Amino acid sequence: GENVEQHPSTLSVQEGDSAVIKCTYSDSASNYFPWYKQELGKRPQLIIDIRSNVGEKKDQRIAVTLNKTAKHFSLHITETQPEDSAVYFCAASRDNFNKFYFGSGTKLNVKP
Amino acid sequence: EPEVTQTPSHQVTQMGQEVILRCVPISNHLYFYWYRQILGQKVEFLVSFYNNEISEKSEIFDDQFSVERPDGSNFTLKIRSTKLEDSAMYFCASTRDSEQFFGPGTRLTVL
Repeated sequence: GENVEQHPSTLSVQEGDSAVIKCTYSDSASNYFPWYKQELGKRPQLIIDIRSNVGEKKDQRIAVTLNKTAKHFSLHITETQPEDSAVYFCAASRDNFNKFYFGSGTKLNVKP
Repeated sequence: EPEVTQTPSHQVTQMGQEVILRCVPISNHLYFYWYRQILGQKVEFLVSFYNNEISEKSEIFDDQFSVERPDGSNFTLKIRSTKLEDSAMYFCASTRDSEQFFGPGTRLTVL
């Protein structure tokens, strides 16, 4: 089955700096890659996603890049703010309605 | 904005007891899921449910577990004869296409 690896497990940046979180996947049939943000004690919430027919997607300060050949995808957060502090999870899935395989999570700490 | 809800937020039970975790998916969603997260580990898929039956289950989802949609709104996960290793956060999710919307989770503690 699919195996999703996520790095780093913790990331500390200064406010205003950029943060990059990387994930790799093993199943070439995976074609949907969401990123979830989970604040302490709250539910995971989708922040951005990308499909395998697209190499990059951007939404304001957040971007995701996908390299299908290398089977890796990354989350980029620019101009980080303290409210970006949370745990971020990547995931991979084969099709609509299919189960998600999650990465192990990255705890991002943005220092003011 | 509609949200997935889960009850209870925290359940403490004795080993060997049965627990039922409840979820109310978003009303026009078609697929429902249960995931679990043992402390410090990955979120893991347990089971998916569509059209009133299980569509897929993981190897974790053994005979100890069952799911049900007893009415038009609730989606439940039953764990029979709980074990210490069942202690985890259990998340319910629902979708009508690709994005899965997660509930806030139920923290299950088995003593």
